[in-house]
Amino acid sequence: GDSVTQMEGPVTLSEEAFLTINCTYTATGYPSLFWYVQYPGEGLQLLLKATKADDKGSNKGFEATYRKETTSFHLEKGSVQVSDSAVYFCALGNTGNQFYFGTGTSLTVIP
Amino acid sequence: GAVVSQHPSRVICKSGTSVKIECRSLDFQATTMFWYRQFPKQSLMLMATSNEGSKATYEQGVEKDKFLINHASLTLSTLTVTSAHPEDSSFYICRVQGGTEAFFGQGTRLTVV
Repeated sequence: GDSVTQMEGPVTLSEEAFLTINCTYTATGYPSLFWYVQYPGEGLQLLLKATKADDKGSNKGFEATYRKETTSFHLEKGSVQVSDSAVYFCALGNTGNQFYFGTGTSLTVIP
Repeated sequence: GAVVSQHPSRVICKSGTSVKIECRSLDFQATTMFWYRQFPKQSLMLMATSNEGSKATYEQGVEKDKFLINHASLTLSTLTVTSAHPEDSSFYICRVQGGTEAFFGQGTRLTVV
């Protein structure tokens, strides 16, 4: 079945460092891919998405490219800020309304 | 895009009591809503699929008599944790599907004391 494998954390970075959180997926068909962010004590917020191969989702300096050849959707940001500290979830949505989440990666950015 | 409102955001209850959590789809009608549970530092686990006008579909291992789901209208689904115990303490979150995109409620932090 469909699934998402996400880089385990926690990840601790200094402010302005480069961030990569790896995400790979297994799917039949042509899923959409998402990154969600969860700030402490809050629900999930959509960070970015891509609906087809080679699409690049971007938001708030974060980017991820839907790569079918490597079945990946890695999240990147060139310069993280303290306010980026949160848990990041990679997710896959298929045409059957099913949604699959990665295990989440906790990011802490220190000044 | 769709907006999903979940209430309450936090609740503390005594063991043995029941707690109701509401999930409202504010922008469009949702025949299906999904309920998740999130344990500390873990991912979201699907508990059940709430179907408007019919019985909910529960995932394996989820007690349907303990987690009662009612989807009485196209904009409202409720999850009731019955006879709550401390092990039910968790973060509960609902999802509404809009096309290929998911919209989440703000989540409910339940603490059973």
